[in-house]
Amino acid sequence: KAGVTQTPRYLIKTRGQQVTLSCSPISGHRSVSWYQQTPGQGLQFLFEYFSETQRNKGNFPGRFSGRQFSNSRSEMNVSTLELGDSALYLCASSNGQVAILDYGYTFGSGTRLTVV
Amino acid sequence: AQKVTQAQTEISVVEKEDVTLDCVYETRDTTYYLFWYKQPPSGELVFLIRRNSFDEQNEISGRYSWNFQKSTSSFNFTITASQVVDSAVYFCAWTGTASKLTFGTGTRLQVTL
Repeated sequence: KAGVTQTPRYLIKTRGQQVTLSCSPISGHRSVSWYQQTPGQGLQFLFEYFSETQRNKGNFPGRFSGRQFSNSRSEMNVSTLELGDSALYLCASSNGQVAILDYGYTFGSGTRLTVV
Repeated sequence: AQKVTQAQTEISVVEKEDVTLDCVYETRDTTYYLFWYKQPPSGELVFLIRRNSFDEQNEISGRYSWNFQKSTSSFNFTITASQVVDSAVYFCAWTGTASKLTFGTGTRLQVTL
């Protein structure tokens, strides 16, 4: 089956702008999570969406937001970009059900955002 | 709060050597999952193994093996007869029932000829 697709692969934005990143999960998966990876902070959880509802949220400012559509595709938006938002943003697809035997996360290739 | 510690920042080995990557976790949860992921230079996190808190059976899969010990809160990962293609950053991760992964800081493995 097709993997997790993230677009775009690379992005360069100017400080103060906003950006939208997209993630298409594995077919049949209803959970999409977003992670930010930076050299200083490592991999940090942003938020998780399950069946179009935000189910969990990390410790990020309100400039970071997301949504999930009825086809489980998810978008992440960052407004008023800061230099510190430069990072690799990874999306993870999951069936979202902890009790399921094959519970786990499949990651996309990420979007590398550079803020200048 | 949950925490995952990978004390080894970087490991360098010569091809064909065995290498063990350490992972120690902290949690008060009784139900949780542990994962190992590999991140090659391309950036994608590649899933390697999952273990749940009720399954301490260790496993060998090809050149990979895992040692999960709840008594010491450790989930170590061993590559036997390492190869240059194994060069990557390896992450240990934890999740409970909250559907979010807590990652360690990663161990960079460099395998040279």
